[in-house]
Amino acid sequence: DAKTTQPNSMESNEEEPVHLPCNHSTISGTDYIHWYRQLPSQGPEYVIHGLTSNVNNRMASLAIAEDRKSSTLILHRATLRDAAVYYCILSGYGNKLVFGAGTILRVKS
Amino acid sequence: EAGVAQSPRYKIIEKRQSVAFWCNPISGHATLYWYQQILGQGPKLLIQFQNNGVVDDSQLPKDRFSAERLKGVDSTLKIQPAKLEDSAVYLCASSLDGRPGGYTFGSGTRLTVV
Repeated sequence: DAKTTQPNSMESNEEEPVHLPCNHSTISGTDYIHWYRQLPSQGPEYVIHGLTSNVNNRMASLAIAEDRKSSTLILHRATLRDAAVYYCILSGYGNKLVFGAGTILRVKS
Repeated sequence: EAGVAQSPRYKIIEKRQSVAFWCNPISGHATLYWYQQILGQGPKLLIQFQNNGVVDDSQLPKDRFSAERLKGVDSTLKIQPAKLEDSAVYLCASSLDGRPGGYTFGSGTRLTVV
């Protein structure tokens, strides 16, 4: 399973944008980049995924480097409810999700 | 669409006792996963089912853990006998066909072994 590297923790101010980085230098051509987040006392929830192009949805944006060796999850306006552990995961279609330690995001009011 | 249901929500047992967790996936989801999440760590896959067959159980401690998915719907995960290090949250997830973004997780069962 391809590995990802994320910072252990990050801090943001409420209502400001947050950029969560992920390095994945050994990504293969068929690996999708997934982002999940886990709020306290809940199971992980899907945020966004992409293959080669940048992606936007109602929750976030995903910016993928041209060489695909890194990506950034962008929360456009962080709220207190966005405080969670964010996981960047590489997985091919139909393959299992292998979680790392993730990034703990703290949001200050 | 109903989510992935898990029960019980919490369980406290003494070491060497047995315990079972139940999972009801989203209707129609063929793939079901059990994960173990120790405090401060990311979830670790224990077992993956495709319908009622096991696809991957390489990380399941088979001397004490067992899982089944009868009729390809509900699933149970059992630990017998439990050890202190089994204290963790046990998460169930399901997927229709493994498509990206198609995994849904339950809220988990928090097990404390004393």
